[in-house]
Amino acid sequence: GNSVTQMEGPVTLSEEAFLTINCTYTATGYPSLFWYVQYPGEGLQLLLKATKADDKGSNKGFEATYRKETTSFHLEKGSVQVSDSAVYFCALKKETSGSRLTFGEGTQLTVNP
Amino acid sequence: DVKVTQSSRYLVKRTGEKVFLECVQDMDHENMFWYRQDPGLGLRLIYFSYDVKMKEKGDIPEGYSVSREKKERFSLILESASTNQTSMYLCASSVGPRYSGYTFGSGTRLTVV
Repeated sequence: GNSVTQMEGPVTLSEEAFLTINCTYTATGYPSLFWYVQYPGEGLQLLLKATKADDKGSNKGFEATYRKETTSFHLEKGSVQVSDSAVYFCALKKETSGSRLTFGEGTQLTVNP
Repeated sequence: DVKVTQSSRYLVKRTGEKVFLECVQDMDHENMFWYRQDPGLGLRLIYFSYDVKMKEKGDIPEGYSVSREKKERFSLILESASTNQTSMYLCASSVGPRYSGYTFGSGTRLTVV
């Protein structure tokens, strides 16, 4: 079946550090890939997405590239801010699953001033 | 903005009680979903619905049921609450039938004692 695996957390960084959160997936065919972010006390929000191989999703300084050869969709940001502290979820949607998403475990990011 | 409203932010119930978690969306979305969120496990799909009076089991439906009598409302029912159902419950909606992004509610943290 489909699955998404994220790097273990929590991740703690200093402000302006470089961020990478790894995400790999298992799925047949050509799934769409997503990153969601959950700020404290809130629901999840879509951060970025990519729908085909080699697509790069980007938003708010975050980027992720859909790599089919390595089945990965790693999240990166060049310079994190304290306000980026949140839980980040990688997710996939198979072509044949309608609107249904499969989520990874989530990675807690804390950015210190 | 689309809003997904979950009726309670925090809920404490006793073992064996019947529990109703309510979710209402205000933008005429066809698809609605119930997930539970647990540390280290990410989001797991309990039930979903693509239309009024329609429901489908997700990955962990045992111990739960749902009701969708009106398009805007999707209720999750714990027939006989147990301590292993203590969790954060998240409702989401999306425009159907093709994926167009989920909108999440803020969540209900349920504690079963």
